[in-house]
Amino acid sequence: DTGVSQNPRHKITKRGQNVTFRCDPISEHNRLYWYRQTLGQGPEFLTYFQNEAQLEKSRLLSDRFSAERPKGSFSTLEIQRTEQGDSAMYLCASSAGTDNSPLHFGNGTRLTVT
Amino acid sequence: GDSVTQMEGPVTLSEEAFLTINCTYTATGYPSLFWYVQYPGEGLQLLLKATKADDKGSNKGFEATYRKETTSFHLEKGSVQVSDSAVYFCALTRSGGSNYKLTFGKGTLLTVNP
Repeated sequence: DTGVSQNPRHKITKRGQNVTFRCDPISEHNRLYWYRQTLGQGPEFLTYFQNEAQLEKSRLLSDRFSAERPKGSFSTLEIQRTEQGDSAMYLCASSAGTDNSPLHFGNGTRLTVT
Repeated sequence: GDSVTQMEGPVTLSEEAFLTINCTYTATGYPSLFWYVQYPGEGLQLLLKATKADDKGSNKGFEATYRKETTSFHLEKGSVQVSDSAVYFCALTRSGGSNYKLTFGKGTLLTVNP
């Protein structure tokens, strides 16, 4: 168990650019989640995958955001036309397939939009 | 909607002091309750959980009891150590549908001095 891996750890981009983050979950976990954490706040749910199916998206996930998990393994989160308000820590988590399975979080990708 | 309110920090204690971090929640039905911890430079980790009223979660000397009557899940430890310095998040998942989606409080920074 190597844990949930997220890349890059840090990303600085200019307003209007597109960015993509990657998450590699724990290998046997079929559930994957994206959360966003802004300074001084707790993490907020963005979206959830079971295998390759995206089963829920938060209202926080505007149409500039898209997440994929093409083969039910790793996932990507893309933000198009970034805005300064997108600056945050983006957290990925995974869990096994039962409802009481704990979430295992990665260390996050910190995005700064200048 | 669901929400979690935890005491604002930062909290600064001396080693071996008693710790309480208050957490109250608003949710319909019978949510599951969690405490997550984030050590410096690391991802969120599940510290303990309780899934029904009067359950006590415990781990690493920390305890929290699910109090339905007061909608609370306060975190306690009898004797803190320097290594307990971290940010602590109270969280819940609702019962039934979307029970994978965590709602977090804002977090409480704990610093323990030797």
